[in-house]
Amino acid sequence: EVQLVQSGAEVKRPGESLKISCKGSGYSFSSLWIGWVRQMPGKGLEWMGIIYPGDSDTRYSPSFRGQVTMSADKSISTAYLQWSSLKASDTAMYYCARQDTNGPADYWGQGTLVTVSS
Amino acid sequence: SYELTQPPSVSVSPGQTASITCSGDKLGNKYACWYQQKPGQSPVLVIYQDSRRPSGIPERFSGSKSGDTATLTISGTQAMDEADYYCQAWDSSTVVFGGGTKLTVL
Repeated sequence: EVQLVQSGAEVKRPGESLKISCKGSGYSFSSLWIGWVRQMPGKGLEWMGIIYPGDSDTRYSPSFRGQVTMSADKSISTAYLQWSSLKASDTAMYYCARQDTNGPADYWGQGTLVTVSS
Repeated sequence: SYELTQPPSVSVSPGQTASITCSGDKLGNKYACWYQQKPGQSPVLVIYQDSRRPSGIPERFSGSKSGDTATLTISGTQAMDEADYYCQAWDSSTVVFGGGTKLTVL
């Protein structure tokens, strides 16, 4: 069974750093892209970018390039999304999903809620 | 930047057919897919490659495309289908989501 399990909810202060994770199982994690999607409270889905765990090839949405960093450790089937300096506007639910290039996201993680507040 | 346009809301009576549209420039040359998201849950893929249904998705969900408009159709809509629906396509190696449509079953 394909599963993507994300790390737990986080509460942070503005300016702090954060790294959240997404662990895949039930398939060859290195061979398929992982995408990240932001959903701000009460809003729609926003695509942040994708990473290929096999070689860490990464493509960012123009809206998120320079704002976050995606990485992956194929040895432990885990992808990461990190911020160096959080802002209140980063408060959102973040989803990882197995993403086929030029295709759909067929499996999704349960989401990680990030709250940034002073 | 590329945009996909969906109606913000659609209402349907139980047992009737709901149609949700998604339009975008040259969408006819791209594959569209659709996700269902219920409150507090992760999105679920319900249609990919315009009209293909993943395993486990009920047959009442179907997809089609005409020109630059993709359509998600739910036949015999049930109360459990009340959710937000998002279309998605690829453009220039990036993923684009539509703004989402809230389907109300009343």
